[in-house]
Amino acid sequence: KQEVTQIPAALSVPEGENLVLNCSFTDSAIYNLQWFRQDPGKGLTSLLLIQSSQREQTSGRLNASLDKSSGRSTLYIAASQPGDSATYLCAVGFSGGYQKVTFGTGTKLQVIP
Amino acid sequence: KAGVTQTPRYLIKTRGQQVTLSCSPISGHRSVSWYQQTPGQGLQFLFEYFSETQRNKGNFPGRFSGRQFSNSRSEMNVSTLELGDSALYLCASSLADGRNEKLFFGSGTQLSVL
Repeated sequence: KQEVTQIPAALSVPEGENLVLNCSFTDSAIYNLQWFRQDPGKGLTSLLLIQSSQREQTSGRLNASLDKSSGRSTLYIAASQPGDSATYLCAVGFSGGYQKVTFGTGTKLQVIP
Repeated sequence: KAGVTQTPRYLIKTRGQQVTLSCSPISGHRSVSWYQQTPGQGLQFLFEYFSETQRNKGNFPGRFSGRQFSNSRSEMNVSTLELGDSALYLCASSLADGRNEKLFFGSGTQLSVL
């Protein structure tokens, strides 16, 4: 059974700081990994999708990396802003089933002005 | 392009009743998947439909069922509601024309069971 863990569960940083969110998974037979953000009471917004053959993806101030062999992914946020405050979730799509994903528990980020 | 639309946005039901939730995917998307989100269990996969066929199913009891129509719209049904079914139910759609497709989520249906 694929297990996905995100550490830390919560993070509070001052505006402008660079930060890293972590995602660990137990089964390296994945076919992709997605990072999402979720605002309170809302659905999820896709941030980055990394395919199993890729090592990283970048979008603006966001950079996500993937190391399948160690079962880890990181989401790097540069120059954090108050608008980045949200819960960040990673989701692992694993081999053996299309669109069957396992979500991590999330990291709640607060960026303080 | 319209996003994923879920209706209704909020629902209040009592134990023992049944409920049907609706999800309209992004135009052209053929896969719809459903998730349950609770504070205690986080986001859990319910099932996924592609071209009117259920391709994958999570570990939920048979009270949870779904279907997909020829226009890719999907419905999820929960029968004999229990208090523990109170949750945010999210659906996501994707193109699913390959193995690596982004999931696009709706805003969810907040179900409260009293």
